[in-house]
Order: sequence, then C-alpha cells, then structure tokens
Amino acid sequence: AQKITQTQPGMFVQEKEAVTLDCTYDTSDQSYGLFWYKQPSSGEMIFLIYQGSYDEQNATEGRYSLNFQKARKSANLVISASQLGDSAMYFCAMREGYNRKLIWGLGTSLAVNP
Amino acid sequence: DVKVTQSSRYLVKRTGEKVFLECVQDMDHENMFWYRQDPGLGLRLIYFSYDVKMKEKGDIPEGYSVSREKKERFSLILESASTNQTSMYLCASRGLRGAPNYGYTFGSGTRLTVV
Repeated sequence: AQKITQTQPGMFVQEKEAVTLDCTYDTSDQSYGLFWYKQPSSGEMIFLIYQGSYDEQNATEGRYSLNFQKARKSANLVISASQLGDSAMYFCAMREGYNRKLIWGLGTSLAVNP
Repeated sequence: DVKVTQSSRYLVKRTGEKVFLECVQDMDHENMFWYRQDPGLGLRLIYFSYDVKMKEKGDIPEGYSVSREKKERFSLILESASTNQTSMYLCASRGLRGAPNYGYTFGSGTRLTVV
C-alpha cells in the first residue's frame, strides 16, 4: 500500500489564484514529519515546508501553508497568489519516527496560466 | 546556506563502464542519501550513509555501491553501467533537528544516460 498518496497527477491554476495540492499519508507511528518539495524543470529539489506530527499549528512559509488534518491523515499544500514561477512538480514526503529515510509520493505537476 | 553539489549535471556513459557520481556538502551533515528518480516511479532510495564509512542499503541497491571516506563526500558507483540505469540521480544531505527543513537539502541532480 502507498504510504504517501498524491491523487492529482496534474493541476492547472490561473496566475494570482490560490491552489491546493493534495497529500494523504499512512503511518502507525505517533511521531512523524511531513514535507513538501518543489522540483522545477531544472531538476533541483527545493524544500518548501515542514509539519511535525506534534505541531499544534499548521505550518506556514510565505505563500505556502500546510493544511494538516491529523485525523484524516492529510497534509495538503496551499499556495496562495500563484505565480508563473510556481509551475513545477510538487512532491509530498514523510519521515516516520526516527527513521532517517523519506517516503515519497509520486508528485503533482502544477501549471500556472497567465 | 547549505550547499549540496553534484559534480555533473549531465553524463553519457557506455554500457559496461564503471561510473562515479560525486556529491559534496559543505555543512558537516552526518547523513547523506542517493536517490534515483524515474517518471511514474517517484524518488527511490538507493543507499544512504549516516556517518563516515557507514552505509545502509535503500530500496533499490542492486547494481550500485557507495563510498564515504570523508564526511563531506558521498559517491555513488555504478560498477558496470547498464541501460536500465539511465535516470536522474539526486543526492541529499540531512542536518540537525531544528533546522527549518529538518535538514534535508538536495543537489541539482545528475541526468545519466547509458548507451
């Protein structure tokens, strides 16, 4: 079974609008962390935002926020005021417990239209 | 800023060649990782290292080996390159808890083509 599921292979959004990218996860650990990364066509994986399982507030980083719903095991990324430069692949990933490894989703391709 | 540098952005090698992919980080991170990324398969962990001379197999270690003789450098070795190893290879390092991204920082990737 997939531990990280990103159900949207591709998404389109108009410039300046908000967009939500979905991520659901599956773990039996109480301690875990959730990450979102952006990968532009250049290939580099760019860290966007992190949410720990014990963090009481949703994480925010500039235009990025993470809608963390623990009971539903979802960690959706919200990008406000989309920009053309936001066009990229977006990956959700999870670290379980004290495991050093990350478990990755298959990604969502986001296209921002002018 | 933490930098993770991969020595080559693009490589073309012949089947059967021994290939070295180099990764260097400049922030004294203990943990380093090698992933390969293929369309539809996401990122898959090949090997990781949690200290000098220490290594652990990831999910797809077959056909690969690694070397970590110094803390800052983690090398991925394809002993005898094959066409099914054509892929994007990403190196990452991980720092201390409390860093903004929990310390995972990636290099720019190496696109390897084996012909």
